[in-house]
Amino acid sequence: QKEVEQDPGPLSVPEGAIVSLNCTYSNSAFQYFMWYRQYSRKGPELLMYTYSSGNKEDGRFTAQVDKSSKYISLFIRDSQPSDSATYLCAVKRQAAGNKLTFGGGTRVLVKP
Amino acid sequence: DTAVSQTPKYLVTQMGNDKSIKCEQNLGHDTMYWYKQDSKKFLKIMFSYNNKELIINETVPNRFSPKSPDKAHLNLHINSLELGDSAVYFCASSSGLAGVTDTQYFGPGTRLTVL
Repeated sequence: QKEVEQDPGPLSVPEGAIVSLNCTYSNSAFQYFMWYRQYSRKGPELLMYTYSSGNKEDGRFTAQVDKSSKYISLFIRDSQPSDSATYLCAVKRQAAGNKLTFGGGTRVLVKP
Repeated sequence: DTAVSQTPKYLVTQMGNDKSIKCEQNLGHDTMYWYKQDSKKFLKIMFSYNNKELIINETVPNRFSPKSPDKAHLNLHINSLELGDSAVYFCASSSGLAGVTDTQYFGPGTRLTVL
């Protein structure tokens, strides 16, 4: 069993819809949670970073963490075709050499 | 200006060959990483270096050898290439290791195909 599980998709939504992405992780030692966006044939780029249970907003993006359930989510409001990409969740432990453990990514397609 | 750059972008080679991938960052960061992304998009760390010192060495065949000549460069040499080495290899860098928000910045990737 992988340490971080993520539905590979693809997830297809119409423009303007809310995109909902989820990850589950197995180890409660993971304390920091990230979402990366990866466009086709590009490197991942950091979208959101959080380390506490609850919600964190940044523009159209909201990251949500539930440590009791070991469940992390990313919501994209008013989705745009430019949001079409693969979204990777990542987790890390404290004092672990900044080692990130990634989920397998969910491919999202926003149709105009 | 490219923050994290890799060369080459594409690499096609025969089984059994030896090849190198180069990575350079101009962000002034102390820490650099190599990741492997397989065909299913699963991204897994291989190595990390901090100030030229090896920090993370995951379960990677010893055919893979990283080398960090200075803080701004981290190269990956692969001996006796196998079909299973075909993947996209990403270099990344961060300002350090200890900061809880040490963001990792990724390069564009090197797509390696072993025939």
